[in-house]
Amino acid sequence: GAGVSQSPSNKVTEKGKDVELRCDPISGHTALYWYRQSLGQGLEFLIYFQGNSAPDKSGLPSDRFSAERTGGSVSTLTIQRTQQEDSAVYLCASSLVPAGSYNEQFFGPGTRLTVL
Amino acid sequence: AQSVTQLGSHVSVSEGALVLLRCNYSSSVPPYLFWYVQYPNQGLQLLLKYTTGATLVKGINGFEAEFKKSETSFHLTKPSAHMSDAAEYFCAVSIGYSGGGADGLTFGKGTHLIIQP
Repeated sequence: GAGVSQSPSNKVTEKGKDVELRCDPISGHTALYWYRQSLGQGLEFLIYFQGNSAPDKSGLPSDRFSAERTGGSVSTLTIQRTQQEDSAVYLCASSLVPAGSYNEQFFGPGTRLTVL
Repeated sequence: AQSVTQLGSHVSVSEGALVLLRCNYSSSVPPYLFWYVQYPNQGLQLLLKYTTGATLVKGINGFEAEFKKSETSFHLTKPSAHMSDAAEYFCAVSIGYSGGGADGLTFGKGTHLIIQP
């Protein structure tokens, strides 16, 4: 009965470094979502995967952000050349995706990213 | 596009008093509505949801919310506050899987609920 897991729980990095954040969704959930939670912006939707594909990447804040999902399971969110404004908690969620259904998402505990 | 407005970034109530957290939404299509709670240093936990059918929905921990289409509101209530209810509460809207794809949740800014002893 594992829920959504994320790693690392905390990440401190220096400005300009690349970071990778990992999300392991609930087994059997085909949809996976990334959000960013920051003091100034609240909770922002970043990107969504259905299986391994991401139909809409327009929510990513800049071209330094990318995400991939392999095998319909684990996803990684990569931030290149990190900036201080990237400091935030990155939340991952997953859901079942039956057509025409509502969108109940189950959230992981998040990764707190601090860029020095 | 949809949006959510939560009135009041902080709400303080006495233990045992009524809790009322306000949420108004805008959506071009019939929405699905959610309330999530976030305890310190934890992820988001679903309190309750409205999809279709009965407009008064009951959730966990004694919370309930009523969907009022005419007022575009989905306010969260609890008859008697408990100290353990102190947390951040987020209202969210989704248009579900219309248009051929799922969408991310659109969240309000959150309301920090403070319980006074």
